[in-house]
Amino acid sequence: QKEVEQNSGPLSVPEGAIASLNCTYSDRGSQSFFWYRQYSGKSPELIMSIYSNGDKEDGRFTAQLNKASQYVSLLIRDSQPSDSATYLCAVNANFGNEKLTFGTGTRLTIIP
Amino acid sequence: NAGVTQTPKFRILKIGQSMTLQCAQDMNHNYMYWYRQDPGMGLKLIYYSVGAGITDKGEVPNGYNVSRSTTEDFPLRLELAAPSQTSVYFCASSYSWSRSSYNEQFFGPGTRLTVL
Repeated sequence: QKEVEQNSGPLSVPEGAIASLNCTYSDRGSQSFFWYRQYSGKSPELIMSIYSNGDKEDGRFTAQLNKASQYVSLLIRDSQPSDSATYLCAVNANFGNEKLTFGTGTRLTIIP
Repeated sequence: NAGVTQTPKFRILKIGQSMTLQCAQDMNHNYMYWYRQDPGMGLKLIYYSVGAGITDKGEVPNGYNVSRSTTEDFPLRLELAAPSQTSVYFCASSYSWSRSSYNEQFFGPGTRLTVL
């Protein structure tokens, strides 16, 4: 069974520190990886996509992918209270597959 | 662009009633999806469509029906509502693989449904 696993948290991080969110997946053939941010009562918002091994940076966000170890992570630098949300990891099995598999999310709280 | 829109935002149904959740997108996406999200849980795929006239079941299709007569619209029909269908429903859309190498999905604002 294809699975995406995340630590449910809550993860508490002081304001200004680096928040590190992790996700592992079971399908070794997975090709595309996404991080969504979901504020309480709101819909998921795509914040990062990564497709190749290594790091991808966008502002304060860095996504890291290691296909050999089957994990993907999201780093948030200079964490702000507005980063407090649930972060969902999503994986697409292979090119041509129309569906994403979502993890259950990690709840992140930034402490002022 | 409005992106993905959903109506209504909230709805309360009585057991046994039926309703249609509306979803529309103006991004010319081929693929559209319906998910449900229960409190503290992840997203579960109900139905999806890869184009007008083509739909397929997801992980939790029982109690729901869909149709896709146009590229823009993908309504979700609930027949004989049950308390187990109390949830938040999200519609999403994405480009097809032939137009984008990736499957980035974009979500609507959601419909919060309560069945009493």
